[in-house]
Amino acid sequence: DSGVTQTPKHLITATGQRVTLRCSPRSGDLSVYWYQQSLDQGLQFLIQYYNGEERAKGNILERFSAQQFPDLHSELNLSSLELGDSALYFCASSKSGQGYQETQYFGPGTRLLVL
Amino acid sequence: GENVEQHPSTLSVQEGDSAVIKCTYSDSASNYFPWYKQELGKRPQLIIDIRSNVGEKKDQRIAVTLNKTAKHFSLHITETQPEDSAVYFCAASTTSGTYKYIFGTGTRLKVLA
Repeated sequence: DSGVTQTPKHLITATGQRVTLRCSPRSGDLSVYWYQQSLDQGLQFLIQYYNGEERAKGNILERFSAQQFPDLHSELNLSSLELGDSALYFCASSKSGQGYQETQYFGPGTRLLVL
Repeated sequence: GENVEQHPSTLSVQEGDSAVIKCTYSDSASNYFPWYKQELGKRPQLIIDIRSNVGEKKDQRIAVTLNKTAKHFSLHITETQPEDSAVYFCAASTTSGTYKYIFGTGTRLKVLA
């Protein structure tokens, strides 16, 4: 157990809908990262938050947004869902997100299925 | 932009043999290289990492080597066991714009009993 929690574990929804994925980082970690992993694919970095502020953006679609709250948990919002958004969504956390040699610890993931 | 190439994409070895997975990175400023193991449907888990001031690191049956000049690093697993079967991802830190990881595309390792 990495100490990173994600809810829900599974989510089934329809095209055009909106969903929210939630992540709680390890105790003491200030940075949260979101990744998308499609079937048999690698880990695509979406976005990073550090202490409530957006720190880095990757291949995140405009239909997706995220935020990090004062208690450091983060939410990833996916809207106008398409079939191709079906994937495993992981969040990871690290101590500060500023060190060049920081380990990221991954949560168990949320499996999203868009029908 | 930065990228990390990982080879091979699939690897089958007999139980007890060694497995080697290689990654090449493009950002010469990268200085941290973690390896993650991901079993089917589960989270990526860190198995070993190496920092740029070190050329090799070992942890029991797992070792990682780093060649900064050539910008490549490798994962070595000796005496492979069936439970080593998983997808392995390499990553390199990058400081372009801000600190983050770039992941390789993964290697599916099958250890045949």
